[in-house]
Amino acid sequence: DIQMTQSPASLSASLEEIVTITCQASQDIGNWLAWYKQKPGKSLQLLINDATSLADGVPSKFRGSRSGTQYSLKISRLQDEDFGSYYCQQAHSNPLTFGSGTKLEIK
Amino acid sequence: EVQLVESGGGLVQPGRSLKLSCVASGFTFSNYGMNWIRQAPGKGLEWVAYISSGSSYIYYAETVKGRFTISRDNAKNTLYLQMTSLRSEDTALYYCARRTGRARDWYFDFWGPGTMVTVSS
Repeated sequence: DIQMTQSPASLSASLEEIVTITCQASQDIGNWLAWYKQKPGKSLQLLINDATSLADGVPSKFRGSRSGTQYSLKISRLQDEDFGSYYCQQAHSNPLTFGSGTKLEIK
Repeated sequence: EVQLVESGGGLVQPGRSLKLSCVASGFTFSNYGMNWIRQAPGKGLEWVAYISSGSSYIYYAETVKGRFTISRDNAKNTLYLQMTSLRSEDTALYYCARRTGRARDWYFDFWGPGTMVTVSS
């Protein structure tokens, strides 16, 4: 199985700040990577697919990038609605696997 | 508006069975592959099972293979997960999630709010 190592596990940031979350794949997955946001009491939301493409309706403050087998999610100008948990997911091969998550909290 | 609503969760003893349902609306259910994904309390996400739009292709995680059965009824816009021989480690919030419509993609573009399954004596 492909392991997705996500960091940091938790992150405290202020409004308007910029933060970056990373995922390291255990093997080459190309651009087959997605990022999701989870807010308490709400359904998960697809933010980015194919490592860098914004999903429908997702604002451009979210930006995905790739360097080899390391993937990053950058969130600019943090607002209240951005706080929650974020997960990466590899879509390269079965079984589909997720990172362990990053909990983003308000400082 | 796409909606997925799971039901059927609850408290069940180890070794017993439970059947989850997910009712879909707001899109043509029969055109999309569907998944079950779970999240144990305080833990990350684990993909559980997938079924293609016409039920021709079915895949399971090794942790549930032989115990869980995914199925669907396109006439009722409903996805199911039959769970047998339940174990404490199956305790989780179970989500149904739609696979995106692009042929090669294995992403999940819509999720339900989840239904909680607790396996305990």
